[in-house]
Amino acid sequence: KNEVEQSPQNLTAQEGEFITINCSYSVGISALHWLQQHPGGGIVSLFMLSSGKKKHGRLIATINIQEKHSSLHITASHPRDSAVYICAATPLSGGGADGLTFGKGTHLIIQP
Amino acid sequence: KAGVTQTPRYLIKTRGQQVTLSCSPISGHRSVSWYQQTPGQGLQFLFEYFSETQRNKGNFPGRFSGRQFSNSRSEMNVSTLELGDSALYLCASTKTKVGTAYTEAFFGQGTRLTVV
Repeated sequence: KNEVEQSPQNLTAQEGEFITINCSYSVGISALHWLQQHPGGGIVSLFMLSSGKKKHGRLIATINIQEKHSSLHITASHPRDSAVYICAATPLSGGGADGLTFGKGTHLIIQP
Repeated sequence: KAGVTQTPRYLIKTRGQQVTLSCSPISGHRSVSWYQQTPGQGLQFLFEYFSETQRNKGNFPGRFSGRQFSNSRSEMNVSTLELGDSALYLCASTKTKVGTAYTEAFFGQGTRLTVV
């Protein structure tokens, strides 16, 4: 069974700070997703990656397949970045429930 | 193109009732997955449908069921509702790159179900 662990669970930072959220998983995966959930529930898919690094605006996601670890970075953080960030893993196919396995989420608050 | 549409957005039901939630995936996507999100358990996979067939199922009781229509729209049904079924139910429209296991998921806004 794939376990997905995220840290920290809660993070409060000042506007402009560099933010890092970490995600570790226990089994082989085909892809790792970073999701953003704002109050109200809607989830937005930020990144899907299976190797290396992706960048979109102020967001950067990296993954190290050997270490089974991924990070989400936010540069020049802004109050509008305040949300819950969730990492989710797509397991390698091999039977059982192949749906995404989610971390518990990181509740990020950026103060002005 | 339009995103994933879930209806209704909010729902209040009484214990013992049943409920049906709807999800319309992104046009051209044939796979729909359902997830339950609760404060205690976080996000958990319910089931996945592809071309009208249930392809995968999570660890939920038989009260939770679903189906997919020929136009890829999906419904999930929960019978004999319990207080613990109160949750945000999310649907994701997924597409796998041909020849890979690389699956991209697009989420709807969710249906918030409250059981009283």
